[in-house]
Amino acid sequence: EAGVAQSPRYKIIEKRQSVAFWCNPISGHATLYWYQQILGQGPKLLIQFQNNGVVDDSQLPKDRFSAERLKGVDSTLKIQPAKLEDSAVYLCASSSMDRWDFREQYFGPGTRLTVT
Amino acid sequence: AQSVTQLDSHVSVSEGTPVLLRCNYSSSYSPSLFWYVQHPNKGLQLLLKYTSAATLVKGINGFEAEFKKSETSFHLTKPSAHMSDAAEYFCVVSTSGTYKYIFGTGTRLKVLA
Repeated sequence: EAGVAQSPRYKIIEKRQSVAFWCNPISGHATLYWYQQILGQGPKLLIQFQNNGVVDDSQLPKDRFSAERLKGVDSTLKIQPAKLEDSAVYLCASSSMDRWDFREQYFGPGTRLTVT
Repeated sequence: AQSVTQLDSHVSVSEGTPVLLRCNYSSSYSPSLFWYVQHPNKGLQLLLKYTSAATLVKGINGFEAEFKKSETSFHLTKPSAHMSDAAEYFCVVSTSGTYKYIFGTGTRLKVLA
């Protein structure tokens, strides 16, 4: 089975520019997560989708970050405008609703963003 | 509220010696617990998980962990370290009903030749 796909793998932008990341979850997985991992820290949940609805976006900086999951499959995360402190790895993960597997999240390779 | 504490930010071991990475958790409900490994510039890979079945959990690459409710611990062990084990390790708690992961701050394992 194909894993979680993310693109691009690396992105360098200047502050105040905008950027978008794309994620394609494992086929059939209803839940999709976006995490931000700053260097030296554990991943922090930004937003969680269940199908195409938002379950939790309490830690998403909504003044500059937005995310959508149209049709309940792939998802995009956007930052506009970017700040220096947004430099991080952005991880996408997905999980199924299968009662034996529903707690396990499968992670993509991440997108490393550098804001200069 | 749920939380996870990884007691060591860095651990160094010699190749062939045992590995112990410590994790304590706090949860109001019956938790699921996970250990993930992250090699440089790679994504997170699941090592093992505890989901209320056997308290001693065996994972990939010779790792195992024991769930101890009385101590609220879920320490990760391996009998003999290999150079390829050098990576960042994250302990994660997920509680019933939320499906949310709470990550520890990570432990960087260094394996010395």
